[in-house]
Amino acid sequence: KAGVTQTPRYLIKTRGQQVTLSCSPISGHRSVSWYQQTPGQGLQFLFEYFSETQRNKGNFPGRFSGRQFSNSRSEMNVSTLELGDSALYLCASSPIPGQGRGYTFGSGTRLTVV
Amino acid sequence: TQLLEQSPQFLSIQEGENLTVYCNSSSVFSSLQWYRQEPGEGPVLLVTVVTGGEVKKLKRLTFQFGDARKDSSLHITAAQPGDTGLYLCAGEGGAQKLVFGQGTRLTINP
Repeated sequence: KAGVTQTPRYLIKTRGQQVTLSCSPISGHRSVSWYQQTPGQGLQFLFEYFSETQRNKGNFPGRFSGRQFSNSRSEMNVSTLELGDSALYLCASSPIPGQGRGYTFGSGTRLTVV
Repeated sequence: TQLLEQSPQFLSIQEGENLTVYCNSSSVFSSLQWYRQEPGEGPVLLVTVVTGGEVKKLKRLTFQFGDARKDSSLHITAAQPGDTGLYLCAGEGGAQKLVFGQGTRLTINP
């Protein structure tokens, strides 16, 4: 079956702009979570959605937001981009979170802010 | 705030040697997961351990969960160049999100 699909793979934006990233989970997976990966901070949790509801949110400013649609696809949005937002953004899906079954990650979206 | 300390951060050894990567925390996790990540790709799940003291083997890789479910280790026997990569441990806690260690960048030299 198809894996987790993230689009676009690469993105270059200018400071102050906004960006929307997309994630399509594995068919049947209802949980989608987002992570930011940088060389200095490693992988940090952004937020998690389950059945269109945000269940958890990490310690990121309000410029970072997300949503989940009825087909479980998810989008995250970053407004007023800053240079420090340059990172690999990863999406992960699971059937039901917290079951100790692990997560399937997408290949990520590499965002560069100039 | 839950934290996972992963060590070592970098490890370069010769083919055929053994190695161990450690993941420690003061927090209790409901499960501990190990991932491997290749450049330009997302992490790929290797194993999850959920019971204190649990040991799982995946070919030459042995994963152990501490009795108190606060720490874990990954042991690789007779390392091969194909084992080269970034290894990440991640704890799943009460907030049902993953807390990642900083990762261990492993290089196996032929």
